[in-house]
Amino acid sequence: DTGVSQDPRHKITKRGQNVTFRCDPISEHNRLYWYRQTLGQGPEFLTYFQNEAQLEKSRLLSDRFSAERPKGSFSTLEIQRTEQGDSAMYLCASSLAVRYQETQYFGPGTRLLVL
Amino acid sequence: QQQVKQSPQSLIVQKGGISIINCAYENTAFDYFPWYQQFPGKGPALLIAIRPDVSEKKEGRFTISFNKSAKQFSLHIMDSQPGDSATYFCAASKGYGNKLVFGAGTILRVKS
Repeated sequence: DTGVSQDPRHKITKRGQNVTFRCDPISEHNRLYWYRQTLGQGPEFLTYFQNEAQLEKSRLLSDRFSAERPKGSFSTLEIQRTEQGDSAMYLCASSLAVRYQETQYFGPGTRLLVL
Repeated sequence: QQQVKQSPQSLIVQKGGISIINCAYENTAFDYFPWYQQFPGKGPALLIAIRPDVSEKKEGRFTISFNKSAKQFSLHIMDSQPGDSATYFCAASKGYGNKLVFGAGTILRVKS
């Protein structure tokens, strides 16, 4: 079990550019989540998938944000036309949506800095 | 609207002391309450979790106390160690495997 991995770990971009992040969940986990964490705050929910279906999107997720999980395995989160306010840590987590096994395991995050 | 309120923002405890962090929630539909520990540069890691069918859960030096009527729950770290210095987050969700709503976090420093 290699845990949840995220790539890249750090990304610096200029305002207006597009960025894409990748998350590889724990292999047998059917749910995958994206959260955003800003300095001094707890993670905020963005969206989550059950296999390849996107089940819920937060109001925080503007139309510049899109997430996919095409084959129910890895997921990508794309931010178009980045803004300075997008600077944050983007965290991915995965879980089994089963009683007593609902723990969400988090990856190390991708830290985004928009200049 | 902040659905989970956490206090204090920061906490300094002497080695061997008890660290206590409190959380209050608003949504009575929440039925899963985990605590996560986060070290700098790392993702949060589950420490301990409770469901409202019990009022207390203990795992090693970590205990969750849960008060359903008051809509409050707390984390107690007994015999606190310098290695416990980290940021702690309470969270809540409803059902199994649904989104977590996190508190703002508590920065714990254990002085040796």
